[in-house]
Amino acid sequence: DAGVIQSPRHEVTEMGQEVTLRCKPISGHDYLFWYRQTMMRGLELLIYFNNNVPIDDSGMPEDRFSAKMPNASFSTLKIQPSEPRDSAVYFCASSYQGTGYTFGSGTRLTVV
Amino acid sequence: GESVGLHLPTLSVQEGDNSIINCAYSNSASDYFIWYKQESGKGPQFIIDIRSNMDKRQGQRVTVLLNKTVKHLSLQIAATQPGDSAVYFCAEKGAAGNKLTFGGGTRVLVKP
Repeated sequence: DAGVIQSPRHEVTEMGQEVTLRCKPISGHDYLFWYRQTMMRGLELLIYFNNNVPIDDSGMPEDRFSAKMPNASFSTLKIQPSEPRDSAVYFCASSYQGTGYTFGSGTRLTVV
Repeated sequence: GESVGLHLPTLSVQEGDNSIINCAYSNSASDYFIWYKQESGKGPQFIIDIRSNMDKRQGQRVTVLLNKTVKHLSLQIAATQPGDSAVYFCAEKGAAGNKLTFGGGTRVLVKP
């Protein structure tokens, strides 16, 4: 298996632009997680899905952030409009029934 | 250099010595714990896990110890190698729900 695949690896965008991050979980995994990592706050859970259904989005910073999982093999995290304070590394992870949590390589987002 | 933010505790260890990394977790109801290793520019990589019905688990060169009484987790790395230099995170999963909550991390520097 190729593991959790995220794209793009790096994204530089101007403040106010829409940003979409993509994730392909490991085939057969039923949970998908979006995390954000910053120097200030460490690794924070933003939202997670079970069988494509959002379960807990309490970590989503504000309404500018939204996440979708239209099918078992794809999820997106969208920021609209983006702000400089959104600059961080965003990780996607997947697991099977609460075990085997595997992370992708992350998307480094820079908002200028 | 680093800006103001999370101050990661740092463990400096001589190559060939054993390393012990400690973690205090917060939720007494957590039933599953994972240690991750994160190298610069990469996503967290699974090292070893342990369930709350165990107090010790061994892998290749690594041992995880769990003390539920004081909510403490440790990772022991035997014969530390230069490739072990990284940031190490503990993560806990609560009994309700399947989200992982991460600790702040410990940086391990292996001196040749």
